[in-house]
Amino acid sequence: EIVLTQSPGTLSLSPGERATLSCRASQSVSSTYLAWYQQRPGQAPRLLIYGASSRATGIPDRFSGSGSGTDFTLTIRRLEPEDFAVYYCQQYGNSPITFGQGTRLEIK
Amino acid sequence: HLQLLQSGPGLVKPSETLSLTCSVSGGSITSGTYYWGWIRQSPGKGLEWIGSIHYSGSTYYNPSLRSRVTISVDTSKNQFSLRLSSVTAADTAVYYCARPIYDSSDSHAYFEWGQGTLVTVTS
Repeated sequence: EIVLTQSPGTLSLSPGERATLSCRASQSVSSTYLAWYQQRPGQAPRLLIYGASSRATGIPDRFSGSGSGTDFTLTIRRLEPEDFAVYYCQQYGNSPITFGQGTRLEIK
Repeated sequence: HLQLLQSGPGLVKPSETLSLTCSVSGGSITSGTYYWGWIRQSPGKGLEWIGSIHYSGSTYYNPSLRSRVTISVDTSKNQFSLRLSSVTAADTAVYYCARPIYDSSDSHAYFEWGQGTLVTVTS
């Protein structure tokens, strides 16, 4: 099973700043099969990025994904108030599909 | 506009079977090569993929749950279902059904989600 470790656990930033979230895999993940989700309280996860760098439909271009192998990054430039939430990475190239434990992005 | 509507009990007794259904509207469950999924989320274990099913009946399961999970599909009702047997308190979680962003047997990045069902295992 591929273990995904996200860092930091909590990130405190202000609106307008840039956020950089990390996802490290215990073994190599094909870039084709790495996704990022945003989850707000009481809501289902929302797909932001798939294939490591492709934005899902309706996702603003301030969200971008990058990385390969075992290290992946989600970048949010110019944080908006609605971006403060929990973010998860997911790999779906190896069974079982696994998720990271999440990064909480909070307002500083 | 595709919508996934979940139904099923929110309380299940220990050792019994959890049963949830996901009804698909705004699209056909038989269109494309989607593998429709079930995911759960508990405070202790975060997001956990349970398994997925194609309308043909082909399934993938998480090995950690395989012995207790059955995912089935009813194309006539445009819905798919989850059964988890011999539940314990550790199975208490919010359960979601979901559809991937594109139709491929290797696509499990979930774009469309159900509303979630909190299932509590308690006597």
